[in-house]
Amino acid sequence: DSGVTQTPKHLITATGQRVTLRCSPRSGDLSVYWYQQSLDQGLQFLIQYYNGEERAKGNILERFSAQQFPDLHSELNLSSLELGDSALYFCASSVGRGAQFFGPGTRLTVL
Amino acid sequence: AQSVSQHNHHVILSEAASLELGCNYSYGGTVNLFWYVQYPGQHLQLLLKYFSGDPLVKGIKGFEAEFIKSKFSFNLRKPSVQWSDTAEYFCAVNLSTDSWGKLQFGAGTQVVVTP
Repeated sequence: DSGVTQTPKHLITATGQRVTLRCSPRSGDLSVYWYQQSLDQGLQFLIQYYNGEERAKGNILERFSAQQFPDLHSELNLSSLELGDSALYFCASSVGRGAQFFGPGTRLTVL
Repeated sequence: AQSVSQHNHHVILSEAASLELGCNYSYGGTVNLFWYVQYPGQHLQLLLKYFSGDPLVKGIKGFEAEFIKSKFSFNLRKPSVQWSDTAEYFCAVNLSTDSWGKLQFGAGTQVVVTP
């Protein structure tokens, strides 16, 4: 158990819908990272927050957005979902630039 | 362009055999290096990391890795694997000068250890 929690574990939804994935970092970690893991793209960095502020953006679609709240939990919002958005979405947390610890992931299936 | 390459996509070996997984990176600056493992149906777990100092790094579960700067490599090794080492292994890199430390991952190597 890494100390990073993610909910829900599984999410099945239809194309065009909107979902929200939630992540709680390890106690004391201020940085939260979101990654997408798919068969064709592998593990891709999406976005990072540090203490409530967006700090880095990767290959994140405009349909996707995220935020980090004052209690440091983070949410990843995915809208206008397409079949290709089906993937595992991982959250990770770290203290500054140290090693990142990953949560169990949310498996999103878009039908 | 910055990239991380893992040489083998699939490796099959018997218990007690030695394992070496290759990782090469293409980055223009000083890097931090990581190996993560993902057991079937589970999240990524950190095996070991290299930030600076001794280029031979020891991690958990008997794994070690060697950073060879001149070869831009960070290969993972284990002298004698067990069936429980069946998993996918990911090499990851971030730039030491990147204030926010986002990781770039290799494509992963699926390792299957047969009894």
